[in-house]
Amino acid sequence: NAGVTQTPKFRILKIGQSMTLQCTQDMNHNYMYWYRQDPGMGLKLIYYSVGAGITDKGEVPNGYNVSRSTTEDFPLRLELAAPSQTSVYFCASKSTAATNEKLFFGSGTQLSVL
Amino acid sequence: AQSVTQLGSHVSVSEGALVLLRCNYSSSVPPYLFWYVQYPNQGLQLLLKYTTGATLVKGINGFEAEFKKSETSFHLTKPSAHMSDAAEYFCAVSDPGRDDKIIFGKGTRLHILP
Repeated sequence: NAGVTQTPKFRILKIGQSMTLQCTQDMNHNYMYWYRQDPGMGLKLIYYSVGAGITDKGEVPNGYNVSRSTTEDFPLRLELAAPSQTSVYFCASKSTAATNEKLFFGSGTQLSVL
Repeated sequence: AQSVTQLGSHVSVSEGALVLLRCNYSSSVPPYLFWYVQYPNQGLQLLLKYTTGATLVKGINGFEAEFKKSETSFHLTKPSAHMSDAAEYFCAVSDPGRDDKIIFGKGTRLHILP
């Protein structure tokens, strides 16, 4: 009954460091998303994937990369961390292409870049 | 392009009072509309959604929302607020023709006064 699992929950990075935010889901969902949440700004879509091997940019992709080698995993990579990437990151998934399907969210990763 | 506007970043109501959270959208086609709730330190959960059919939609925890096409609105209401309703609420819209784009509003934080 795990759903969408994100690791780590918290991380502090120094400017210029790199890291990977992990996201895995056990619901066999094809559609997966990465959002960032900034205070008063709602959620902004970073990248999304419609299936293994297929990814595409969202609203704010600069400074991030993704890969989707399996249905279950959708890691988000920060290559050169910048203070502007301080945010809470949410991974989400849904089962079908239907746009009326709900998103299942992970519990988030709080990232600070100092 | 689709967009969502949530009026009021913070709303305070007394316990037992009516909750009204406002959401207006812009879309070139009849959209699908969603309300999600985020409790502290958690990911988002779906409260309710409108796709087609009845314009008054009932969700979990006593919340409901009405789709008003003439007003391009999808306001969220609950007749009697409970302390446990304190959370952040997000309105979201998707285009039935596009399975990838789900646009979120900036969120409204609901405070319940004892």
